[in-house]
Amino acid sequence: EVHLVESGGDLVQPGGSLRLSCVGSGFTFGTYFMHWVRRAPGKGLEWVSRIHSDGSRKTYADSVKGRFTTSRDNAQNTLYLQMHSLRAEDTAVYFCSRGDPFEYWGHGTLVTVSS
Amino acid sequence: SYILTQPPSLSVAPGETASITCGGNNIGGDSVHWYQQKPGQAPVLLISYDSDRPSGIPERFSGSKSGNTATLIINRVEAGDEADYSCQVWDPSSDDYVFGSGTWVTVL
Repeated sequence: EVHLVESGGDLVQPGGSLRLSCVGSGFTFGTYFMHWVRRAPGKGLEWVSRIHSDGSRKTYADSVKGRFTTSRDNAQNTLYLQMHSLRAEDTAVYFCSRGDPFEYWGHGTLVTVSS
Repeated sequence: SYILTQPPSLSVAPGETASITCGGNNIGGDSVHWYQQKPGQAPVLLISYDSDRPSGIPERFSGSKSGNTATLIINRVEAGDEADYSCQVWDPSSDDYVFGSGTWVTVL
C-alpha cells in the first residue's frame, strides 16, 4: 500500500526558512514524479512544485519561484521542499503527491508564517 | 494564465444528483482530473482523464466534458459526500498544474 508522510511544518516568522520532508513507502519511489501542493486557509488547492523521478528537472509555480527549492533522495525514499523568504501568504497545509495526475497524497503538514 | 472556473458552493438533498462544472478556455484539448477533499483529510483522486474512475471510487461518481466545460456528476448523493471538489489540468504552454478554486458540496 502506498504511503506518503510529510513532516517539518512549523510556525515561522516572515522572512524565515523551513524545510519540509515527505517519506514514501509501498512503491518504487525513484520511478515517479513527485509534487508539492498546498492549501491555504479558505483557499483552493495550489500546485507548488514538481521534480522528475531522477531529480534532473524541477518546475515551480510563479508564486514560489526563486524562494522554494525541491529535491529528493531516492535512496532514502524522501522528497524535500526547502522554503526561504517565507511570507504570510505561504501559510498553508503542504501536501506531497505522487504522479500525474496526483494519484496519491500524504495527509499534509501545516506551515504558519506569522510574527 | 490558465484559469479554471467552478461554482463556490452547491447544496443537494440526499439521494439527488449533484452536478459540478469546471470551465476553462482551453479545457477542450486538455485532460481534466477531479479531486475530493474532506476537512482535515488528504485529497482523493476521483476522476482522471475527463471520465476515468480510479480503482476503489464508487460508480456514483462520473465525469464528462463538452466544449470548454468539464462536469463532475455525483449520483444518489450521500451525507458522506459532503466535501470540497476541485478540477485540475496540466497547462503544457507553461508546464504548470492548475486547480479550480473548488466547489463545496453541502448535503442537506
